Amino acid sequence: SYVLTQPPSVSVAPGKTATITCGGNKNAIKSVHWYQQKTGQAPVLVVYDDADRPSGIPERFSGSKSGNTATLTISGVEAGDEADYYCQVWDSTSDYVFGPGTKVAVL
Amino acid sequence: QVQLVESGGGVVQPGGSLILSCAASGFTFNTFGMHWVRQAPGKGLEWVAVLSYKEDTQYYADSVKGRFTISRDNSKSTLFLQMTSLRSEDTAVYYCARKGLCSPGTCFSGVTAIPYWGQGTLVTVSS
Repeated sequence: SYVLTQPPSVSVAPGKTATITCGGNKNAIKSVHWYQQKTGQAPVLVVYDDADRPSGIPERFSGSKSGNTATLTISGVEAGDEADYYCQVWDSTSDYVFGPGTKVAVL
Repeated sequence: QVQLVESGGGVVQPGGSLILSCAASGFTFNTFGMHWVRQAPGKGLEWVAVLSYKEDTQYYADSVKGRFTISRDNSKSTLFLQMTSLRSEDTAVYYCARKGLCSPGTCFSGVTAIPYWGQGTLVTVSS
C-alpha cells in the first residue's frame, strides 16, 4: 500500500518560512495536494498538483516536488497560519491516501 | 458558491447502522464524483469512499469495505453513506467532499484533489 510520511510538528517564528515535507514509499511520489485544517474546521485545499494554488490562496503558500518527496513552503508565516497540514495523493492500488499531518506552531 | 451540508450523525451502539446525507449546491452535482472522508477525534484525515458522477464506479477504504455503501441521488443533489456493523473505531467526524477541480473532460488540473468539503457530521459508536 501507498504510505505518506510527514514530520509531526514544525515550529516557526512570525515572518519566517515554514517547510513541511511529505515522503512517499514508492519511487517518484504521485501528484501531491496539500490541505490546511484549523482547529474545529474542515480542511481547505491550499496547493494542488504539486505546486498550483487554488484561487483565493495567498502566494505565501507554495509547493514543490523532487523524487519521492514533496514540500509545502509557507513564506512570511502569520499567526493565522497555525494549523494542521496534510498531504494527499491518489494511487491506483491504495486510492486516496493522506499523510499523517504536520502541526505548524507559530511561536 | 459550492456548499456541502452533512446530516445524520449521532450516537449509535456497536453493531448498529446509520445513514449519513450530504446536500450539495452551487455546482452541477451530476457532473462530479463525490467522496466521504472521516477524522477520528484528535487524529488525522482518513479517506472512506468515492463514487463517480455516473454512479458506475465506487471505491472504499479497506477499513470500511463490506460495511459501508456510498450512493447518490442526482435528482436531489444528495450524497449518502450507509454504515452498518458499526465499530467503536468508526467514531469520527464524517466529511462529504467533492472530487476534482473540474468536471471530467473539462480540464486536467486537480483531478485527484479534493477542493470542497462540508463542515462534517459527528458519528459516535458507543454503548
